[in-house]
Amino acid sequence: AQSVAQPEDQVNVAEGNPLTVKCTYSVSGNPYLFWYVQYPNRGLQFLLKYITGDNLVKGSYGFEAEFNKSQTSFHLKKPSALVSDSALYFCAVRDPGWDSGYSTLTFGKGTMLLVSP
Amino acid sequence: EAQVTQNPRYLITVTGKKLTVTCSQNMNHEYMSWYRQDPGLGLRQIYYSMNVEVTDKGDVPEGYKVSRKEKRNFPLILESPSPNQTSLYFCASSRGGDTQYFGPGTRLTVL
Repeated sequence: AQSVAQPEDQVNVAEGNPLTVKCTYSVSGNPYLFWYVQYPNRGLQFLLKYITGDNLVKGSYGFEAEFNKSQTSFHLKKPSALVSDSALYFCAVRDPGWDSGYSTLTFGKGTMLLVSP
Repeated sequence: EAQVTQNPRYLITVTGKKLTVTCSQNMNHEYMSWYRQDPGLGLRQIYYSMNVEVTDKGDVPEGYKVSRKEKRNFPLILESPSPNQTSLYFCASSRGGDTQYFGPGTRLTVL
């Protein structure tokens, strides 16, 4: 069975500093990986995805993520954090059996990012 | 504007009173899904649909029903709600296995 782990419930960073939100996954084949962000009282918004190709993926709002197959990780990063980046971040993995007609998207438990002024 | 809509946004009900949460998307997506979000548990998939009249169980389907009679609509039905179904519910749609687009959420309280 596939799974996603976000080892930190909360990440605190000062504005202007780089941030990293960690994600590791477990699937049987080659994964589709996603990052979503949830602002208070809002739905989830797509940030970026890795399907294939370049291991460094760039997404919305200056975020990027690096796919590391050997470490089964897909950490979210940003060079300089903003107070407005404070939100709940979810990592998700899609079952590689998608092409066979079966599909499921498994989410991590989420990491709250707090950026202080 | 491309969007996923859910109604109602907030609902307080009592145990055993049947309810339906509607979900509609205007992007002509084949794939639709329902999730529930609970503190410390993240999002868990309830049901999903690959296309009209094609639905399947997700990770936590007990106590829920769905139907997909039209491509744009995917209602979630709670035949006999219980307090453990108090949660925040999200509908999502996508084209195949690509990025999912989420609705604004429905906060359900079952007393």
